[in-house]
Amino acid sequence: DVKVTQSSRYLVKRTGEKVFLECVQDMDHENMFWYRQDPGLGLRLIYFSYDVKMKEKGDIPEGYSVSREKKERFSLILESASTNQTSMYLCASSQIDSYGYTFGSGTRLTVV
Amino acid sequence: AQTVTQSQPEMSVQEAETVTLSCTYDTSESDYYLFWYKQPPSRQMILVIRQEAYKQQNATENRFSVNFQKAAKSFSLKISDSQLGDAAMYFCAYLSNDYKLSFGAGTTVTVRA
Repeated sequence: DVKVTQSSRYLVKRTGEKVFLECVQDMDHENMFWYRQDPGLGLRLIYFSYDVKMKEKGDIPEGYSVSREKKERFSLILESASTNQTSMYLCASSQIDSYGYTFGSGTRLTVV
Repeated sequence: AQTVTQSQPEMSVQEAETVTLSCTYDTSESDYYLFWYKQPPSRQMILVIRQEAYKQQNATENRFSVNFQKAAKSFSLKISDSQLGDAAMYFCAYLSNDYKLSFGAGTTVTVRA
């Protein structure tokens, strides 16, 4: 069964900490994406990548960075976590086609 | 990002009845794809149905069907014969030509037994 795996289901971090959210896909997909999900706002795109070592800013990149050193792994980095980054984070991957995304099961991050 | 609007934060339906979820979007592209995703309490996003904009025929997947009105930029989802397992949050999404998905705010569907 093909899938996208996010390393943590729940995470609690302190303000100012550097936080790494890891995502791995086993489908050899070219594209990978990071979204955050907040009530009433839906999913908003943070960063995406179409290839290894390539990254593009999404709609809300401020306070985040990403790394894609291998095709199957896409990491989201919160350089200095803040309370307004408390959210659900969803990783997804896709082929270069129109069949939509495969999603991970999300990481609920709380910054205290 | 493309704008996708879901105007119904919550909908409630009696088991075995039908419920329709609304979605509108804004785009200048002529060719694109639209999706409905379901997110149950497990948080796993599940693809419900997909529509290609250049196809006039409305997509159907078992009890799920869409009403796609391209000129009106409307893409509603109809769930027929609702089941308890249909209870979830439903997201409408637009896939642009650069393979980015834009989502609406979501509609929470409650199914009453």
